[in-house]
Order: sequence, then structure tokens, then C-alpha cells
Amino acid sequence: GENVEQHPSTLSVQEGDSAVIKCTYSDSASNYFPWYKQELGKRPQLIIDIRSNVGEKKDQRIAVTLNKTAKHFSLHITETQPEDSAVYFCAANPNTGNQFYFGTGTSLTVIP
Amino acid sequence: NAGVTQTPKFQVLKTGQSMTLQCAQDMNHEYMSWYRQDPGMGLRLIHYSVGAGITDQGEVPNGYNVSRSTTEDFPLRLLSAAPSQTSVYFCASSYDSRGFDTEAFFGQGTRLTVV
Repeated sequence: GENVEQHPSTLSVQEGDSAVIKCTYSDSASNYFPWYKQELGKRPQLIIDIRSNVGEKKDQRIAVTLNKTAKHFSLHITETQPEDSAVYFCAANPNTGNQFYFGTGTSLTVIP
Repeated sequence: NAGVTQTPKFQVLKTGQSMTLQCAQDMNHEYMSWYRQDPGMGLRLIHYSVGAGITDQGEVPNGYNVSRSTTEDFPLRLLSAAPSQTSVYFCASSYDSRGFDTEAFFGQGTRLTVV
């Protein structure tokens, strides 16, 4: 089955700086890669996603890049704000249904 | 739309007891799944369903049963609760009528403690 690894597990940045979270996956059949943000005690919510036919996608301060050859994808948050503090999860979907395989999460702290 | 609704939000069980976690969605999604979330382990797939009458095992299915008799409902049954099943459980649904993967919408979670 698919195996998703995520680094780092914790990340602290100063407000205004950029944050980068990296994930790798093992199954070359995976073709959909969402990123979820989870605030304390809340449910995960999608913040951005990318499909395997696209190399980069941006949405305001958030961007995701995908390298299919190397089987890795990254989340970039620019101009970080305190409200960006949360746990972020990457995931991969090997296109066989609703099977999302998640990374172990990155706890991001933005220091005012 | 209520989205994905899970009940109960909190539950304490004694070892050996059984119970059913309920999950319902009103978005006419085809796909539904159950995850458990443990500290440092992310979300791990327990069981999933691609439509009514069809279920399959995920990464960590032992000790859990599911059924999908309707499009809307996907209950998760704990057969004989064990302390190792103490976790936060999330139900999720997504829609894929054209062969494209779409985002998973999560319920609010059920925090289960087995003593």
C-alpha cells in the first residue's frame, strides 16, 4: 500500500517568515495530493490540493509543488500569520476510491 | 446541508464492551471512510466504502466492522473494545462521479476512551 512520510514534525517560524513542509510518497499510482489543516480539537479541513498532471498550484499565501519523478510534494506558506498555527497533514490518493493515506503531521507555530 | 455528522462526540467504554459509531452525510457522496487519529501517527484508514453495499479494509481494520446499506450512512462497529482503541475517530466522505478524486469532507470526530 501507499506510504506517506512528512517532515518536519514540528516547525516554529517568526510571523512574516515562510514555512515549508515536505512529504514523500511510495505508490507511483497516486495522482491526487491534498493538504489539510487541523486546529486544536477541530476536524481536518482542506487548504489546497494538487493533481499529478500539475507541477505547482498557488492560492494566495499558500502554494504546493509536486515532483512526480522524485515522488515528493511540498507545502509553502508565505508571510505567515499567528492564525496559521495548526497541525498540517499531507495525503496521497492512489486513485482507487476514498483511500487517503496521510502523513504523520507537522505542528506549525507562528511566533508573533 | 449538515455535511458529515458523527455521533457521539465523546464516549467512554469498558474493555470488552461493543458499540457503534454513527456517521451520516447529506451530500450524496459515493465514497465514505473511517480514520483513527493518534498522537504522532496522523490519520490512519480503518475501513472505506465506494458505494452502498461495498466495503473494504484499510490500514488498520482489526477489531472494527463496517457496513454500507445506504448511500448516507456508514457506521463503524467496535466488536470488543480494547484500550488500544482509545483514539479520535473521524468519518469522511467524498464524491467521484467522473473518475476524479476530490477532497474528503470530515465529520467533527468522536473521542473514544476505553478503560
